[in-house]
Amino acid sequence: DQQVKQNSPSLSVQEGRISILNCDYTNSMFDYFLWYKKYPAEGPTFLISISSIKDKNEDGRFTVFLNKSAKHLSLHIVPSQPGDSAVYFCAAKAGGGNKLTFGTGTQLKVEL
Amino acid sequence: EAGVTQSPTHLIKTRGQQATLRCSPISGHTSVYWYQQALGLGLQFLLWYDEGEERNRGNFPPRFSGRQFPNYSSELNVNALELEDSALYLCASSSDGASNQPQHFGDGTRLSIL
Repeated sequence: DQQVKQNSPSLSVQEGRISILNCDYTNSMFDYFLWYKKYPAEGPTFLISISSIKDKNEDGRFTVFLNKSAKHLSLHIVPSQPGDSAVYFCAAKAGGGNKLTFGTGTQLKVEL
Repeated sequence: EAGVTQSPTHLIKTRGQQATLRCSPISGHTSVYWYQQALGLGLQFLLWYDEGEERNRGNFPPRFSGRQFPNYSSELNVNALELEDSALYLCASSSDGASNQPQHFGDGTRLSIL
């Protein structure tokens, strides 16, 4: 039962353009969502999060959008840079359980 | 500020042996989490420790256990190792377990079972 889904295993974007990574979830109890970036041989690095009481959160080049009715969130990276090439995971948490449920990741490649 | 540190980086064991993995959280963090990432699978939640107590457990057999020490560092023990336990084990920490705080991850221990 995959409660958090990232349906695009890979995405290729040109440098300077916008990267949009998508994530869908099925558990309506999720109330906190996070995006992580992972380089090979390193642990995931926290990028940005959003609480279910908001629909948008920005941090520099990164913006996360949450559509609760559609159970969908997206990460926008503008402008995309070659150093952004990595695997991106979305994760979700329900209530105070503190267990993160992860998607399977999207490999982003930013080309020159 | 030092991040989450894990040791060893790699660990090779044989079936039936026991493995001990260690994690030091970010200074000031009291909650420690363990996740497993098996080949081809996503990160799966294993255990959550806060203030020395096990607070939550994922869908793993009892041979996966751990503890948290008074200095908030943690150990993950895996007994009676099986081939399917070969995976990357990631530790994360957060400033507390009660509010929405992001979990910050270490670089993991790669456990290989021969």
